[in-house]
Amino acid sequence: GENVEQHPSTLSVQEGDSAVIKCTYSDSASNYFPWYKQELGKGPQLIIDIRSNVGEKKDQRIAVTLNKTAKHFSLHITETQPEDSAVYFCAASGTGGFKTIFGAGTRLFVKA
Amino acid sequence: KAGVTQTPRYLIKTRGQQVTLSCSPISGHRSVSWYQQTPGQGLQFLFEYFSETQRNKGNFPGRFSGRQFSNSRSEMNVSTLELGDSALYLCASSLVTSGNTGELFFGEGSRLTVL
Repeated sequence: GENVEQHPSTLSVQEGDSAVIKCTYSDSASNYFPWYKQELGKGPQLIIDIRSNVGEKKDQRIAVTLNKTAKHFSLHITETQPEDSAVYFCAASGTGGFKTIFGAGTRLFVKA
Repeated sequence: KAGVTQTPRYLIKTRGQQVTLSCSPISGHRSVSWYQQTPGQGLQFLFEYFSETQRNKGNFPGRFSGRQFSNSRSEMNVSTLELGDSALYLCASSLVTSGNTGELFFGEGSRLTVL
């Protein structure tokens, strides 16, 4: 069945450093790869997404890259700030599948 | 525009009981998905509804069921509760315009504790 693996499970960085989270997916039919941020006591919220016809997408300090051949996609956060501390989830879904499969999450700590 | 509303926010049940959770999607969203979130397990897909039809189901036992009403509101039910069912249950709605899955808008969840 579909599976999304996410690494690392915990990531601690110094304020101003970069953070990278990596995911792999198993279903070759997947064509939509969103990233969600979950803050304490809240539901996850979309921060950036990428579709399979694009290799890279950037939005201010965050960027996502996709390698469809290797079935890898990554989230890059530059110039991290304490408010970036949260749990981040990668996910994958496909046309006709109508379901989004999530990775296990990465807890990011940004130390001031 | 109101977000996704889930009720109740917190509840405590004992083993063997059953529970019903409710989700009101964003106005105009016809797709509702349910997820179970437990520490270390991420978000496990339960099921997804569109226009009152269940389109997909995750790998959960038959004790977990759901439905969607004509106004797109959804409920999920868990019967014969077990200790392992303790979790945060998240509902998400989506504006599905074609065959593509899009952004999910999550509620704040219903935290279920089974004693």
